[in-house]
Amino acid sequence: NAGVTQTPKFQVLKTGQSMTLQCAQDMNHEYMSWYRQDPGMGLRLIHYSVGAGITDQGEVPNGYNVSRSTTEDFPLRLLSAAPSQTSVYFCASSYSGGAATEAFFGQGTRLTVV
Amino acid sequence: AQSVTQLGSHVSVSEGALVLLRCNYSSSVPPYLFWYVQYPNQGLQLLLKYTSAATLVKGINGFEAEFKKSETSFHLTKPSAHMSDAAEYFCAVSAIQGGSEKLVFGKGMKLTVNP
Repeated sequence: NAGVTQTPKFQVLKTGQSMTLQCAQDMNHEYMSWYRQDPGMGLRLIHYSVGAGITDQGEVPNGYNVSRSTTEDFPLRLLSAAPSQTSVYFCASSYSGGAATEAFFGQGTRLTVV
Repeated sequence: AQSVTQLGSHVSVSEGALVLLRCNYSSSVPPYLFWYVQYPNQGLQLLLKYTSAATLVKGINGFEAEFKKSETSFHLTKPSAHMSDAAEYFCAVSAIQGGSEKLVFGKGMKLTVNP
């Protein structure tokens, strides 16, 4: 039972480069989300999706794009990487985005932008 | 807007001592509250959740939390710390933002357990 799988685990980018962080879940969850984790800041929501074809912005969406063409996949795109995007990124999924629903997290992608 | 506050960023206890991690919430409606744990180099996993069924909630690994409406608190406790409890702990509240329900996390508390 794989759960939520994120790739890659580590990535170093140069300023201005673009890349896609992959996220896949095999639990048939409708709700998926991307967070970034920075020291002393907790987890902040970047983008989320309530189902295939539906996405919306979270707290810190600037510089990131998402799409949701299938229930299983929810990639996060960095359009033009900046040092401020150095962070650990987590993808999460849940049965719904509603109250009391447990979120399942991937292992994270540690991104460094130089 | 619903939010949670975890004061401080680091707590250190001795093995066998009581673990107490504080969380206060702000919510105009009855909240749904969570504690998540993050072990080193891993993602977050659910410890326990409060959904208004009972004020004392028991979770995994011997942790429990008590919802106190009068104090707007949801503190996490464990009677006797174990070395394996060393991790970062996040309190979270389910909040309605932009018409959708989302998890809003506190800043986290790193727990160190000393032998």
